[in-house]
Amino acid sequence: AQSVTQPDIHITVSEGASLELRCNYSYGATPYLFWYVQSPGQGLQLLLKYFSGDTLVQGIKGFEAEFKRSQSSFNLRKPSVHWSDAAEYFCAGHGSGNTGKLIFGQGTTLQVKP
Amino acid sequence: SQTIHQWPATLVQPVGSPLSLECTVEGTSNPNLYWYRQAAGRGLQLLFYSIGIDQISSEVPQNLSASRPQDRQFILSSKKLLLSDSGFYLCAWNTGTFISGNTIYFGEGSWLTVV
Repeated sequence: AQSVTQPDIHITVSEGASLELRCNYSYGATPYLFWYVQSPGQGLQLLLKYFSGDTLVQGIKGFEAEFKRSQSSFNLRKPSVHWSDAAEYFCAGHGSGNTGKLIFGQGTTLQVKP
Repeated sequence: SQTIHQWPATLVQPVGSPLSLECTVEGTSNPNLYWYRQAAGRGLQLLFYSIGIDQISSEVPQNLSASRPQDRQFILSSKKLLLSDSGFYLCAWNTGTFISGNTIYFGEGSWLTVV
């Protein structure tokens, strides 16, 4: 079955430190993968997406993600975290069918220490 | 440009009361529409999706229903709310499929607390 897994429920990093949020997927075919960010009480904002082509994808707010088929991963990275990056991050992948449904991971809450 | 509006933003309802959350999309036609729920401490769960007027698919059995009376309007309803219906409800839309490179965009969400 298709699935998206985020192994880390909660991560704390110091401001200015690098960040990597893990995402693993399980799909039979080439997946379409996304990272969204959610600030408290807000909707979801798209950070970046991977459909095909270059496996290193650049997104907004200085984030990037790398698609690694051999590891079934799509990890999100940022070289230097800012306090405003504290939020919940969701990895998502294309569900079955032609409707464009997304399957979400459980989310990772990022806390940034001053 | 396209926009998505969702209301009410916050709702406190007693158990057994009805529910109506509304979502509209502007600036596009024939969108795919989605209702997701985010319960406390859990990820996002797809509840309903619609590819056209009066075409609704339910993803999970539940106490809720959805309707699409107009092309860009999507309504989430319940006749009698349960405590377990509490959560953050997100409406979303996209056009076409991912094969054509389209992304899902989300509304700002509606907080529902059932008391």
